[in-house]
Amino acid sequence: EDQVTQSPEALRLQEGESSSLNCSYTVSGLRGLFWYRQDPGKGPEFLFTLYSAGEEKEKERLKATLTKKESFLHITAPKPEDSATYLCAAFHSGGYQKVTFGTGTKLQVIP
Amino acid sequence: DGGITQSPKYLFRKEGQNVTLSCEQNLNHDAMYWYRQDPGQGLRLIYYSQIVNDFQKGDIAEGYSVSREKKESFPLTVTSAQKNPTAFYLCASKMNTEAFFGQGTRLTVV
Repeated sequence: EDQVTQSPEALRLQEGESSSLNCSYTVSGLRGLFWYRQDPGKGPEFLFTLYSAGEEKEKERLKATLTKKESFLHITAPKPEDSATYLCAAFHSGGYQKVTFGTGTKLQVIP
Repeated sequence: DGGITQSPKYLFRKEGQNVTLSCEQNLNHDAMYWYRQDPGQGLRLIYYSQIVNDFQKGDIAEGYSVSREKKESFPLTVTSAQKNPTAFYLCASKMNTEAFFGQGTRLTVV
């Protein structure tokens, strides 16, 4: 069964305290790994797509990496405005360009 | 300004009524999706469409219906057969490996 698991479910950091969020996946024929940021009551905001193991992408304080089994979202020196839920999703072969989502990591950055 | 527009933002429905959620995109994307989001759960796929006049059931299609008469539009109808319709509904469109979401519609059954 296709599955995407994110950990931890919730993470509380002090401002400036770097950390990583994990997304492990078990899917057939991975074609891309998406990362999104979601604020309460809003739609997910696209951050990155990673296509192959070893690939890295950066945006401000965020850096996403991909291996054959998991992806990491590294947050360097976070600020309170980085507080949000971060979702990952695997785009894979499933007969209809299937996208399977994890349940997200809720990040809170304390000033 | 390109993007995906969902309307309304909030919707209240009486039990036994059908209600239609709107999703419009001007990104010229072929594929469009409807997801449902409940607290503590990942996004679950309701329906998807790869091209005009074609759509397929997702994992939780029961009690929902869609149409895709135009490339830009993919409305979702929540029927009275949906037993637990109160949720946050998200529409997305995708081209190749980039997928973007609308701002969602929160549906409440009263």
